[in-house]
Amino acid sequence: QQQVKQSPQSLIVQKGGISIINCAYENTAFDYFPWYQQFPGKGPALLIAIRPDVSEKKEGRFTISFNKSAKQFSLHIMDSQPGDSATYFCAAVNTDKLIFGTGTRLQVFP
Amino acid sequence: DGGITQSPKYLFRKEGQNVTLSCEQNLNHDAMYWYRQDPGQGLRLIYYSQIVNDFQKGDIAEGYSVSREKKESFPLTVTSAQKNPTAFYLCASSIGSSGLQETQYFGPGTRLLVL
Repeated sequence: QQQVKQSPQSLIVQKGGISIINCAYENTAFDYFPWYQQFPGKGPALLIAIRPDVSEKKEGRFTISFNKSAKQFSLHIMDSQPGDSATYFCAAVNTDKLIFGTGTRLQVFP
Repeated sequence: DGGITQSPKYLFRKEGQNVTLSCEQNLNHDAMYWYRQDPGQGLRLIYYSQIVNDFQKGDIAEGYSVSREKKESFPLTVTSAQKNPTAFYLCASSIGSSGLQETQYFGPGTRLLVL
């Protein structure tokens, strides 16, 4: 199977809170998992990515947690800010397949 | 100022008409990609090209065609065979040394609407 299931579809968080977005994949051949951030009317931009040989990767306020046995990975945004309001996409990649999740619209309120 | 440009920003297509979306990059990237984005759905890969004069079908290539005659350019034609072309189309590029497992840099997109 080639699907990547992403949840929730939308998320509302108060400023300073933690935003958590989850993704699950089925094909164990995927070996690269990027997250992209997209602002309205713009193209997506790479935010952070992880390979399955590590369980966690942190860059500033953004952390990816990876559970290889469960075939799940998640994005945590610490101290969420109004400027983080955007749509977030996870993706799963192998040498000849790139599948995006359906996206999560995050709104951070002051 | 390096980057990816897509034109036009908005494009209107009449029934039975072929239209071509432009994508140009000055990043000296070997690989280029076309995606379609629909509301509530993720990006879906239409075509990609890892080198000049070569390209591969993605998951939803039917009704679309591409060419890669120059490194900098990867135009997408939406043919009349594509029955539901209304969508936001995104072009991307990457360095091209590691296939799909690379950081992709996206253009600003073209919104195609059917009249």
